[in-house]
Order: sequence, then structure tokens, then C-alpha cells
Amino acid sequence: GDSVTQMEGPVTLSEEAFLTINCTYTATGYPSLFWYVQYPGEGLQLLLKATKADDKGSNKGFEATYRKETTSFHLEKGSVQVSDSAVYFCALTGRLLSNFGNEKLTFGTGTRLTIIP
Amino acid sequence: NAGVTQTPKFQVLKTGQSMTLQCAQDMNHEYMSWYRQDPGMGLRLIHYSVGAGITDQGEVPNGYNVSRSTTEDFPLRLLSAAPSQTSVYFCASSYSMDRGLSGANVLTFGAGSRLTVL
Repeated sequence: GDSVTQMEGPVTLSEEAFLTINCTYTATGYPSLFWYVQYPGEGLQLLLKATKADDKGSNKGFEATYRKETTSFHLEKGSVQVSDSAVYFCALTGRLLSNFGNEKLTFGTGTRLTIIP
Repeated sequence: NAGVTQTPKFQVLKTGQSMTLQCAQDMNHEYMSWYRQDPGMGLRLIHYSVGAGITDQGEVPNGYNVSRSTTEDFPLRLLSAAPSQTSVYFCASSYSMDRGLSGANVLTFGAGSRLTVL
């Protein structure tokens, strides 16, 4: 079945450091790929997405490129801020839930990021 | 615009008790779902609905019931709580999870409900 593997956390960085959070996936067909972010005490919210190979999703200075050859969707940011401290989830859709045509969203385990001033 | 509203935010139950977690959205989304979040396991899908009157099971449905009588509401019922159901529960909605539609497959989440079963 579909699966998402994220790098183990927690990750602690200093402000203005470069961030990479690795994400690889296993899926049949051609999944769409997502990064969701969960700030303390809140629900998840979409950070960025990519729907086909070589697409680059970007938002708030974060970027991720859909690499089909390496089945990866690594999250990067050039200069992190304290406000980026959160839990980041990589996810994919691809497998149909049912005959309704809806796709199932499969999440990774999440990576907790802490940025220190 | 309230988005997805979950109540209660916190709940403590004893084993065997029943309760309902409420979820309401005001975005006229057709698709609604319930996830549970457990340490080291990410989010797992419990039940989902593609419209009023239509529900189906996700990955971990045992011990939970749902119904969808209106587009706005999607309550999750625990019939006889067990300690294994201690978790954080998230309700999420989308206008569609059909990849054929532009802008689909994006979920809006509620803030979560933390449930402890003793």
C-alpha cells in the first residue's frame, strides 16, 4: 500500500539556518504530494503541494520538488525563523478510497522542528 | 469564516463510557473525515463522508461510528471507550477529494480534540 517516510525528529536549528526535512514515498500510479504544517495547539494546514513529476511547490519561503526518479519530496527553506517552529507532515494522495473517485490522504509520522533565536 | 469547528477540545472518559465528538464546517464542503493522531504513527483515517447520507470506513474504524445527516455536521461517536482510543482526534473537510477537480485534495483541519480514556 501507499506509505510516506519522513526523517526522524526532533530537529533543532538556529534562526537563519538552512532547513531540509526529507520525505520519501511508496505509491502506485501517480500520487499528488503535500506538506502540511501543524503549529502548537492548532490543526494541520496545507503548506504546499505538487501534483506531477518535477513540479515545485512553494509557500512562505518553503519549497519542495516532486522527484519521481527518487520518489522524494524533500522540504527546504533557506533561512528559518522562530515562527517556523512546528510539526511538519509529508503526505500523498493516490489510492482510491472507494468507487466514489475520492482519494485517500496518507500521512507520514511528522517531524517536529524547533528554531532557537 | 469559522472553517472547521471541533468540540470539545479536551475530554476525559472512563473505560466503557460513550461520547460524541462534534465537527461542523461552514464552507459547504462535500467531503468530511475524521483522523486520529498518535505519537510515531502520524494521522490515520477513521471514517469519511463524501456527502450528506454517505459514509464509509477508513483505516481504523473499529470502535467508532459516524453519520452525516447534513452537509455541515459530521459527528464521531465512541460507543464504549477503551484506553486504546486515547488520542488526539482531528476533523477535516474538503470541497472534494477527486483529483479530477481543480483545487481538490486539499484538507482544512479543525483544531483537534484531545481524548483520554482511563
